Amino acid sequence: KQEVTQIPAALSVPEGENLVLNCSFTDSAIYNLQWFRQDPGKGLTSLLLIQSSQREQTSGRLNASLDKSSGRSTLYIAASQPGDSATYLCAVIARGGADGLTFGKGTHLIIQP
Amino acid sequence: GAVVSQHPSWVICKSGTSVKIECRSLDFQATTMFWYRQFPKQSLMLMATSNEGSKATYEQGVEKDKFLINHASLTLSTLTVTSAHPEDSSFYICSAHDWGSGETQYFGPGTRLLVL
Repeated sequence: KQEVTQIPAALSVPEGENLVLNCSFTDSAIYNLQWFRQDPGKGLTSLLLIQSSQREQTSGRLNASLDKSSGRSTLYIAASQPGDSATYLCAVIARGGADGLTFGKGTHLIIQP
Repeated sequence: GAVVSQHPSWVICKSGTSVKIECRSLDFQATTMFWYRQFPKQSLMLMATSNEGSKATYEQGVEKDKFLINHASLTLSTLTVTSAHPEDSSFYICSAHDWGSGETQYFGPGTRLLVL
């Protein structure tokens, strides 16, 4: 059974710092990996999706990498801002869209002004 | 991008009542929809996979007679929590798979259920 682990569980840093969130998964036979953002009491916002054949994806200040063979992904946030404060979730999908996602517990990020 | 809506966004009910949550894909057809729930400080857990016109597939540990899922059309799936109890209080989120745009799943905004 696939398990997704996110480290750290919580992180608090001053504004402007670059930071890295980590995600690991136990079964490397994934179809794709997705990073989401969740604000308190809110739904999910998809940030980046990496197909299993890809190594990384970038969107603005966000960069996500994928090392499928080692079961790891990282989300890099450059020049962090207070508005980046949220919980960041990593999720993998085993097959195509026919499967649900398996989520990690998330990293609760606080960016101090 | 594609939009998925959920209704209601908030519901408070008494123990023993049934609650229906709707998930709609607004601008695309979703042959497959998924239902997740999230307890406080926990990850989202897949409850069931809903396919249009057929019975839902439930994950291990999810009672199909308690969480009734109906996917009657390509744009609507409903989750009914029957005889709700306080331990059913949770955040319920649906997602819809848009086959037309590859493998992306689009998530609804979620429904927060509080059972008193």
